[in-house]
Amino acid sequence: DADVTQTPRNRITKTGKRIMLECSQTKGHDRMYWYRQDPGLGLRLIYYSFDVKDINKGEISDGYSVSRQAQAKFSLSLESAIPNQTALYFCATSPNLAGGADTQYFGPGTRLTVL
Amino acid sequence: RKEVEQDPGPFNVPEGATVAFNCTYSNSASQSFFWYRQDCRKEPKLLMSVYSSGNEDGRFTAQLNRASQYISLLIRDSKLSDSATYLCAVASSGGSYIPTFGRGTSLIVHP
Repeated sequence: DADVTQTPRNRITKTGKRIMLECSQTKGHDRMYWYRQDPGLGLRLIYYSFDVKDINKGEISDGYSVSRQAQAKFSLSLESAIPNQTALYFCATSPNLAGGADTQYFGPGTRLTVL
Repeated sequence: RKEVEQDPGPFNVPEGATVAFNCTYSNSASQSFFWYRQDCRKEPKLLMSVYSSGNEDGRFTAQLNRASQYISLLIRDSKLSDSATYLCAVASSGGSYIPTFGRGTSLIVHP
């Protein structure tokens, strides 16, 4: 079984709809992240959470919100989807190592299309 | 200037060739460096961390040049299965050790 799972894997929706992307992990990591990836723009950080009570905005948080329901679950919401939110969304986790950056473990991605 | 920059390529090489990619970073306080591999429409996966003294994993060698602020990835004896996009990632304590990713370099290995 995959350590980091994302649902749905693909979603097509219409402008103005509310969408929730879910991420679950069995790695026992404290840190969780949401990224989006667009062709030519690479991975950009949307939100991150270092533990259940910690939520932080990333580089491109406008139009998004998150919820950390438990150590293992981190969901991303688009309150009112717009076409330029069409992208590939990745959830990632990392351990909380002292004194250094952590390897990131990515979920399989959610391909979101907003019409 | 973008924080982490990579030549997008594609690098088109024959099987058996040696190919090298560079990744430049702008934050001189960067402390942690990584190379990830991403196959088309798949998630990135860690290929290797980059240590100050350089490190090797089979056909792959990663090096860090702090003076010039870049990391490199050398692939020897390229295989068809090496075709992918290679992302570099750089992190610092000032950024809570969250990696900043480059846009990736595309490698195509042909027969």
